[in-house]
Order: sequence, then structure tokens, then C-alpha cells
Amino acid sequence: EIVMTQSPATLSVSPGERAFLSCRASQSINSNLAWYQQKPGQAPRLLIYEAFTRATNIAARFSGSGSGTEFTLTISSLQSEDSAVYYCHQYNKWPYSFGQGTKLEI
Amino acid sequence: EVQLMESGGGLVHPGGSLRLSCVASGFFFSSHEMNWVRQAPGKGLEWISYISRGDSTTQYADSVKGRFTISRDIAKNSLYLQMNSLRVEDTAIYYCAREGISGGFFDFWGLGTPVTVSS
Repeated sequence: EIVMTQSPATLSVSPGERAFLSCRASQSINSNLAWYQQKPGQAPRLLIYEAFTRATNIAARFSGSGSGTEFTLTISSLQSEDSAVYYCHQYNKWPYSFGQGTKLEI
Repeated sequence: EVQLMESGGGLVHPGGSLRLSCVASGFFFSSHEMNWVRQAPGKGLEWISYISRGDSTTQYADSVKGRFTISRDIAKNSLYLQMNSLRVEDTAIYYCAREGISGGFFDFWGLGTPVTVSS
């Protein structure tokens, strides 16, 4: 089983700044990584897939990078609406697995 | 508009059974692989099951293998999760999630249905 580890657990950033969220895989997952945003009481929403491809209707402020075992979600020009929990997800090998999440506070 | 609507959740005693349903609309259901993902109260996301487009391949997390069964009915645009031998630790919101055409990632999610296992 591939273990996904996200850091930090919580990140506090001021509006207008940039946030860097990290995700590490216990073995190589190539570029088979997605990022999701989840706000309280809502279902997750796809932000990024294949490590760096933005999903439909996702703002250009969200960008993904990395391959192999190290990945980063970068959110620039942070807005209050970006407050949420962010999860990474590997789909390179069964069983699929998620990171434990990073809570972003604006 | 793509929509996924789960139902069938509720309160059940340990050892009991439930069958969750997810009705899909706004896309060709037969063209997408489907999954179930759950989230325990205050916890993160846990993938639990997958089914291929053709219904021929299924996958399960170890935590539910042998107790849960995923299936789909193309004619009814529906995904199902039969949950048997339920445990307290199965308490969660259960989401159905559609895989993108290029596979693996979940591009649309339902709103979820809550399952509570308690005596």
C-alpha cells in the first residue's frame, strides 16, 4: 500500500500571500496524483490531476507540480474563500490512497 | 449538468447491513469508472471501492474486503454499495465519485449519505 503524507497539517497564511502544500508518496507514483479542496459540510472538489493539470473551472491561482514521490500544490494570491482542507490522492496503484489533509487558514 | 445523488444511509446496529445507491445523471454513466469514498466524522478521506466501466473489475480497500460489494446497473444509471457485517468503525459519510475519462482521479462527487453504526 502506498502511504501519502501531507505537510504541514495546518497552514495559516494572510490574504494575498502564497501557500505551498506538500504531499509525499512512500514510493513512486509517476504523475498519477490529484489534489482536492474540501470546505466544511461539502463534498471534495477536484483541483488538479496528473500532478499539474488544472480541472475545469479551477482558477489559475491553483497550480500543481512534482513527479515521482514529491508533489506540491501552490495557491497564489490567497483569498478568504480558499480556507479549506486540501487532500492529495494517488491513483497509480491499488489500493488508491489519500493524504491525511492540510488545513489552510486564511 | 453532471449530478451524483447518494441515498440509503442511516442508523444500523453492529453486524447489520445497508445498501447504498448513487444515481447518476448528466453524463454517459457507462463511460466512466466509479468509486466509493468515505469520511469518518472529523477525519480524512478513505477510498473503499472501485468498479470498472464494464462491471468486470472491482477493487476494495482491505478495511471492507469481504464485507462490502460494489455493483452498477447501467440501465438505471446507478451505482450500489452493499454493506454487510457493519462495524462501529464504518460510521462515516459515504460519497460516490466518478473517475475522469483518462482514469484514476475523481472529477465529480456526490453530496454523500451518512451511515451510523451504533448499538
